[in-house]
Amino acid sequence: DTEVTQTPKHLVMGMTNKKSLKCEQHMGHRAMYWYKQKAKKPPELMFVYSYEKLSINESVPSRFSPECPNSSLLNLHLHALQPEDSALYLCASSQEGARGRLAVYEQYFGPGTRLTVT
Amino acid sequence: GQQVMQIPQYQHVQEGEDFTTYCNSSTTLSNIQWYKQRPGGHPVFLIQLVKSGEVKKQKRLTFQFGEAKKNSSLHITATQTTDVGTYFCAGDTGNQFYFGTGTSLTVIP
Repeated sequence: DTEVTQTPKHLVMGMTNKKSLKCEQHMGHRAMYWYKQKAKKPPELMFVYSYEKLSINESVPSRFSPECPNSSLLNLHLHALQPEDSALYLCASSQEGARGRLAVYEQYFGPGTRLTVT
Repeated sequence: GQQVMQIPQYQHVQEGEDFTTYCNSSTTLSNIQWYKQRPGGHPVFLIQLVKSGEVKKQKRLTFQFGEAKKNSSLHITATQTTDVGTYFCAGDTGNQFYFGTGTSLTVIP
């Protein structure tokens, strides 16, 4: 199984809502990532979990809160978002991701959650 | 600012023509990866280059990593309509990871 799944596919939320994005992989990968991608732009790395510990936080606002309950699951909790946070949120995983060597292995991306903040 | 730039930003080619995208980093890269993202899709890994001057081929695709490990290129020979999409390089500086700005390829049948 070389698939990364993400739910929901689409999400519309108001600025006062709390919601969560979910990501799951069953490839035994030990690194998982959250990216944000705006239209016609490259993915921007937000967070990296390596062996279920947060290893990279790319100065992301606290209204985004990641969580890694176990080695197969990755969540992104959203609270008090702004309209400019509307984007495609991509989850990815890789075989291993030691600190400082993020691109040692290929990353498998999920289909993404398209988020609209109203 | 953006540390990994790609040119061109957009490229339209007739089917059968060749295509090249160039990736340039302001810092030396430990390695470089290439991804393809179809319209409406997600990035899909193509290849990784690690060694200075490395060249790898996948069918009609040729990937090159510069001698100084600051640039890379992807060349597609005889493009097909299935090659449509945005091609991103992605570089690891050792403590940071950046996707390049991307090149959007349109293939006209």
